[in-house]
Amino acid sequence: QSALTQPASVSGSPGQSITISCTGTSSDIGAENYVSWYQHHPDKAPKLMIYEVTNRPSGISNRFSGSKSGNTASLTISGLLAEDEADYYCSSHTTASTYVFGTGTKVTV
Amino acid sequence: QVQLQESGPGLVTPSGTLSLTCTVSSGSINSGNWWSWIRQSPGRGLEWIGQIFHTGSTNYNPSLKSRVAISVDKSKSQFSLRLNSVTAADTAVYFCARDGPGCFDRWGQGTLVTVSS
Repeated sequence: QSALTQPASVSGSPGQSITISCTGTSSDIGAENYVSWYQHHPDKAPKLMIYEVTNRPSGISNRFSGSKSGNTASLTISGLLAEDEADYYCSSHTTASTYVFGTGTKVTV
Repeated sequence: QVQLQESGPGLVTPSGTLSLTCTVSSGSINSGNWWSWIRQSPGRGLEWIGQIFHTGSTNYNPSLKSRVAISVDKSKSQFSLRLNSVTAADTAVYFCARDGPGCFDRWGQGTLVTVSS
């Protein structure tokens, strides 16, 4: 299975909105609603930000939102804050009962 | 809420076997969740290694399947990873995580394993 494709980096100014894309195939994103997004700061455990394409876990700001169209999922961060600067990874369950992660996107504020 | 903690040797010799254990606390490993191992090699992204259910059923990343075994010890509330024939490419921070399902909603802090002679 190949990693999902994400842009290597995305940047924005404080207060702006950015969108990170995550492109897969008809065997993962295109077939599943188990698409999730993670925020990863260095030397920390990744943090779940979005699950099942659009849902936010308790405690996650509504500035984070997810969507999906076909084989591509997206994470939008609105009202960018300095604390949002981190690496972001998408993940999808697959039709083979495995998981695949995205290549990762470095967000710079 | 449930907590996960990885443990095991931080240094493994090339061609040897990497062995790690994840201890689940403040929750039950019999909870109906799957439990996964995930790693991040230096300068690279996250890679899902495989998962186990409390019954012992497993699923593995096809690219690692020939070298990986994940097991569970319900009496100790632990699940373990064994990766054999390791090379420098297996140097990584290894995380254990709970499958939400469909997502990884609880993670251990991660443990660095270096493959070197």
